[in-house]
Amino acid sequence: GQNIDQPTEMTATEGAIVQINCTYQTSGFNGLFWYQQHAGEAPTFLSYNVLDGLEEKGRFSSFLSRSKGYSYLLLKELQMKDSASYLCAVRDSNYQLIWGAGTKLIIKP
Amino acid sequence: IAGITQAPTSQILAAGRRMTLRCTQDMRHNAMYWYRQDLGLGLRLIHYSNTAGTTGKGEVPDGYSVSRANTDDFPLTLASAVPSQTSVYFCASSDRNTGELFFGEGSRLTVL
Repeated sequence: GQNIDQPTEMTATEGAIVQINCTYQTSGFNGLFWYQQHAGEAPTFLSYNVLDGLEEKGRFSSFLSRSKGYSYLLLKELQMKDSASYLCAVRDSNYQLIWGAGTKLIIKP
Repeated sequence: IAGITQAPTSQILAAGRRMTLRCTQDMRHNAMYWYRQDLGLGLRLIHYSNTAGTTGKGEVPDGYSVSRANTDDFPLTLASAVPSQTSVYFCASSDRNTGELFFGEGSRLTVL
């Protein structure tokens, strides 16, 4: 079956760096997405990786290793507003998105 | 720019009643989706439509139906609601070039 694993919850300190991991087993691979979802709101797009390596976008970076079925989202200079759930999703061979359950990130002052 | 509009934002419904969740987009995206989100679970695809006039079943289609008469509208119907359909429902559309999903604000449905 298809599976996306990510930690349920993480806690970090304001101003610090946090890495959220995502491992996947899917039938085929056509890209990996990270979305941010604040409580009670809709998910919003953060990043997209289709080739191995690091994609940097401001304070957020996303890394992909297709051979390991692994990605991470790196958040630097954490701010209180970064408290949210972070969703990993993989597009499979049928171009359907398979979603992880999300990682709830709690930022403490 | 509206993006995707869902209605209603919240609804309490008696079991056995029929309910339609509305979804409209103004981005001219071909593909549209309905997901449900439950605590501890990832987003689960109910139905999708790759283009106007076509629809397909997702991971959890039972008890739900959709139609896609035109590009902009993609309503989701619960023919006879059951308590297990209590959830938050998200409509989404995707950009053809990037595959990025754009979500509506969600519809919180409670079936009693």
